[in-house]
Amino acid sequence: DAKTTQPNSMESNEEEPVHLPCNHSTISGTDYIHWYRQLPSQGPEYVIHGLTSNVNNRMASLAIAEDRKSSTLILHRATLRDAAVYYCILRDVGQGAQKLVFGQGTRLTINP
Amino acid sequence: DTEVTQTPKHLVMGMTNKKSLKCEQHMGHRAMYWYKQKAKKPPELMFVYSYEKLSINESVPSRFSPECPNSSLLNLHLHALQPEDSALYLCASSQDGLQTFQETQYFGPGTRLLVL
Repeated sequence: DAKTTQPNSMESNEEEPVHLPCNHSTISGTDYIHWYRQLPSQGPEYVIHGLTSNVNNRMASLAIAEDRKSSTLILHRATLRDAAVYYCILRDVGQGAQKLVFGQGTRLTINP
Repeated sequence: DTEVTQTPKHLVMGMTNKKSLKCEQHMGHRAMYWYKQKAKKPPELMFVYSYEKLSINESVPSRFSPECPNSSLLNLHLHALQPEDSALYLCASSQDGLQTFQETQYFGPGTRLLVL
């Protein structure tokens, strides 16, 4: 299974943009890049996903490198409520696609 | 309604007890999941049900017994657990588990289990 590498922790200030990196150098052509986050004392929640093109939704943007070996989750204007553990996950179309395999994630701290 | 509910929120049990965790969703989803999360660790998949049939068992010990009585309900029966089984147990659901590379999983808040 292709693996992802994320920094253990990051810190940012409220109302500033946050760029959360994810490396996935062994990604295959059929792997989708998903991001979930887990707020304190809650279950994980979906943030965004993409395959090759950059993606935007109301929560965040996903920038995918041209070679797909890395991606960046962008929170355009962080709030205190965005403090969470962010997980970058690869999901394949093939066998085992039902598995959502979480890595260690990045713990994001937002300073007021 | 994109809510997955789990009961109870907290559970304390002895090693000889039998208890059950319950998960419910009313989004019409046909795939449901159990995950286990130890403190400061990421969630780990335990079981997947698709159309009320068990499709994945991640080599979970038999003291954990899942059950999917209908498409809205998922139970996890617990028997003779060990203290190391203490963890947060998360339930999730998704559309049907067939196009999972695109499907969003919706998670409940979890049941925090303590085994004494």
